[in-house]
Amino acid sequence: QVQLQESGPGLVKPSETLSLTCTISGGSISSYYWSWIRQPPGKGLDWIGYIYYTGSTDYNPSLKSRVTISVDTSKNQFSLKLSSVTAADTAVYYCARFQSNWGYFDYWGQGTLVTVSS
Amino acid sequence: DIQMTQSPSSLSASVGDRVTITCRASQTISSYLNWYQQKPGKAPKFLIYAASSLQSGVPSRFSGSGSGTDFTLTISSLQPEDFASYYCQQSYSTPRTFGQGTKVEIK
Repeated sequence: QVQLQESGPGLVKPSETLSLTCTISGGSISSYYWSWIRQPPGKGLDWIGYIYYTGSTDYNPSLKSRVTISVDTSKNQFSLKLSSVTAADTAVYYCARFQSNWGYFDYWGQGTLVTVSS
Repeated sequence: DIQMTQSPSSLSASVGDRVTITCRASQTISSYLNWYQQKPGKAPKFLIYAASSLQSGVPSRFSGSGSGTDFTLTISSLQPEDFASYYCQQSYSTPRTFGQGTKVEIK
């Protein structure tokens, strides 16, 4: 059974960079796409972007100028960096596996709340 | 971007009721529509892909239908564990977009 676990700071100051890592267990990072999705408190789900295990990426245009997703196959991990954060970036951040055939997210991490505040 | 609109935003129902949630896309997405269930404080759980294909392990009381721009998620007989929020998601094009969610509450 594939499991995903997000890790990283729960508090980030405005204008700084949010950094999160997702560790995959119970399966290999290879041959799949891996995604970040966020959910502001009390709101819906927003797709941030994804990365293929080879390193190719696709980002939501609304965040593209501030987002970098990278992969470390040796550690079975992938990471998110979101720069120049504001209070609007406060959200629960989820990592998830993306199945490219029909485009669904089948395995999700438990999520981690990141608050942007000074 | 393709906009996904769900209706209703919330509904109240009783155990045993048949519940239907609608999802409409702003342009045709063929059958590239997926459904998720989310309980408070938990990650979304994947239910249905390709508009009508049930993910392994999902109870058969859940079903999906539709194509083009209009889709439905139906719970044939609502169970206590089904009280949650439900989201549709289009996978026709990027950026991948979700509906705003439908909260199913206990009447």
